[in-house]
Amino acid sequence: DTGVSQDPRHKITKRGQNVTFRCDPISEHNRLYWYRQTLGQGPEFLTYFQNEAQLEKSRLLSDRFSAERPKGSFSTLEIQRTEQGDSAMYLCASSLGIVPGANVLTFGAGSRLTVL
Amino acid sequence: AQKVTQAQTEISVVEKEDVTLDCVYETRDTTYYLFWYKQPPSGELVFLIRRNSFDEQNEISGRYSWNFQKSTSSFNFTITASQVVDSAVYFCALRNTGNQFYFGTGTSLTVIP
Repeated sequence: DTGVSQDPRHKITKRGQNVTFRCDPISEHNRLYWYRQTLGQGPEFLTYFQNEAQLEKSRLLSDRFSAERPKGSFSTLEIQRTEQGDSAMYLCASSLGIVPGANVLTFGAGSRLTVL
Repeated sequence: AQKVTQAQTEISVVEKEDVTLDCVYETRDTTYYLFWYKQPPSGELVFLIRRNSFDEQNEISGRYSWNFQKSTSSFNFTITASQVVDSAVYFCALRNTGNQFYFGTGTSLTVIP
C-alpha cells in the first residue's frame, strides 16, 4: 500500500489553458474526495465519489471543473479555461466508507496549481 | 451549519515547552466526529485523532493529548515537551453523518530549538 498518489505535484499554466490532475487512491478504498486548499486556509470540499458514482459536488465547483472516476479506482479533476483564482493546492483523499461520518480520510501530497 | 474555528493563527514555542492548540466547533447535529490533522512542510495532511460526539473521554497518545468538552464545543490539542519535528500546521475538522469534512483555518506551530 503506497498511500494516495497525486500527479503532477506542481503545474504552472497560463490563464485560459486546461489542466488535469490525477489521483490514485489506496486500492481498497471505495470513497474518493477532492479538496482545494489556498494559502492560510483549511481544505475546502469540492466533490466526492463512492466507487464510480459522483455523489456530491460543492457549490465551489463551477462549470469549468469536472471530475471523473470511471472505473471506481483512479480519479481525474479537470479545470477548463483556468483563471488566476484557480491557483491553489488540490488535495485528493480516500477512505474506506463503512460507518458514515466516522471514516478517516487519507490524503495525498496534493497538486499545486499556479495560473499565470 | 457546520463550522470550525481555530483562533490561533500562529504559535511559537521553545523546544520542550508545552503548547495547546484550540478548536471550537459549531453544529446542530447530535452525532458528529471531530478530527485533528497535521500538515508538515511537505504538504501531506496526516491524521492524528478522531473522536465521536458520544465519547467525551480525553485521550493521551505519547506527548499528544486531546481535551473534548461538549459543554463548550471545544476539542483542544496539547503537545507536551514540544520538539522541532512538531513544527507544522495543525487542522481541526468536523464531520457529521454526511460526507463533508469542515476544516478550520489551521494553526501554524513553530518549535524553536
